[in-house]
Amino acid sequence: ILNVEQSPQSLHVQEGDSTNFTCSFPSSNFYALHWYRWETAKSPEALFVMTLNGDEKKKGRISATLNTKEGYSYLYIKGSQPEDSATYLCAFFDNYGQNFVFGPGTRLSVLP
Amino acid sequence: DAGITQSPRYKITETGRQVTLMCHQTWSHSYMFWYRQDLGHGLRLIYYSAAADITDKGEVPDGYVVSRSKTENFPLTLESATRSQTSVYFCASTLTSRQETQYFGPGTRLLVL
Repeated sequence: ILNVEQSPQSLHVQEGDSTNFTCSFPSSNFYALHWYRWETAKSPEALFVMTLNGDEKKKGRISATLNTKEGYSYLYIKGSQPEDSATYLCAFFDNYGQNFVFGPGTRLSVLP
Repeated sequence: DAGITQSPRYKITETGRQVTLMCHQTWSHSYMFWYRQDLGHGLRLIYYSAAADITDKGEVPDGYVVSRSKTENFPLTLESATRSQTSVYFCASTLTSRQETQYFGPGTRLLVL
């Protein structure tokens, strides 16, 4: 069973603060890492698909980096807004996508 | 442009009853997935399907049955519902492979009494 961890489990930040959280995954047999944004009472939506060590992706104020050698990815949110409040999930794929698992998520609350 | 839909959106049933959750997609995506949302686990994969008539188990398949007679439909059946199956169930699809971006349905909230 693949072990994918996310930290912190939850965090609260003030509007305007920048924040980041971590997805940790096995460093062997890496194939891809996905980030999803999941708002309460909605369904998860894809943010990034990352496949190469050193990848950096950006969408608006949200960006992500990938280190496959040490088995982690960071998600950054610059200048958090209340609408950024959501759970952020990562999903790790190994062995050419034969196996994959979602992490437990980081729940972000941005206070106005 | 319906995309991926799930029905019913809410369901209350009793222990021991059979329940079927429906998932329908209009994109002609090859892969479809069923997940359940569990506290502390995020999303856990129940079953997935690579194409019509091809299905495979995920992480937590016990107590569930799936079928895929048509590409666009992927029903999930709880053969004899248990309280531990109370959860929110999400269906998802990808175009051609497991490792692509997944597109999720709106979810079905199931309560087993």
